[in-house]
Amino acid sequence: AQTVTQSQPEMSVQEAETVTLSCTYDTSESDYYLFWYKQPPSRQMILVIRQEAYKQQNATENRFSVNFQKAAKSFSLKISDSQLGDAAMYFCAYRSQGAQKLVFGQGTRLTINP
Amino acid sequence: DAGVTQSPTHLIKTRGQQVTLRCSPISGHKSVSWYQQVLGQGPQFIFQYYEKEERGRGNFPDRFSARQFPNYSSELNVNALLLGDSALYLCASSLGSSTGNTIYFGEGSWLTVV
Repeated sequence: AQTVTQSQPEMSVQEAETVTLSCTYDTSESDYYLFWYKQPPSRQMILVIRQEAYKQQNATENRFSVNFQKAAKSFSLKISDSQLGDAAMYFCAYRSQGAQKLVFGQGTRLTINP
Repeated sequence: DAGVTQSPTHLIKTRGQQVTLRCSPISGHKSVSWYQQVLGQGPQFIFQYYEKEERGRGNFPDRFSARQFPNYSSELNVNALLLGDSALYLCASSLGSSTGNTIYFGEGSWLTVV
């Protein structure tokens, strides 16, 4: 079974600075998808960014980018120019090829200091 | 267009009772999944339905059941409630069962068992 580990329960960053959230995963599969979801106090999971394992290029979405290291099974999220609205729980998630099930990590609470 | 809608938003039940949670997927989406998120943890996969058939089941007891209707809405039923069933129950929908389809989440139903 696949597992996802987020070793940072909490992180904080100054507004406008850059922060990196860590995620590692364990799988024996070669084809899969990785995601970062944001969960604000409203509790709705919002997709931030996705990465297909077969793509070597790291995904980017505006201020959000990932560092995908397939051999190391590492998938970190970098948030540049942090904004107050970025404050939330961030979850790393794994999805097998051909499956709908998402496997989530424990989450990292991100605080933005003004 | 409306997103994934869930009802009720909050509810309190007594141990041993039964509860039904409802979910309406995004218009045109045929796949619905259910997740349980206990406070302080990441969501755990319960069920996935596609075209009214169960396509996946997580490691939950038989007290948990679900179904999908012809209009693709879904219900999650939990019988013989335990204190440990207290959690946020998230519904998610996607266009189909393909891994390439983005999964969208609702805001969840908060269940408190007393």
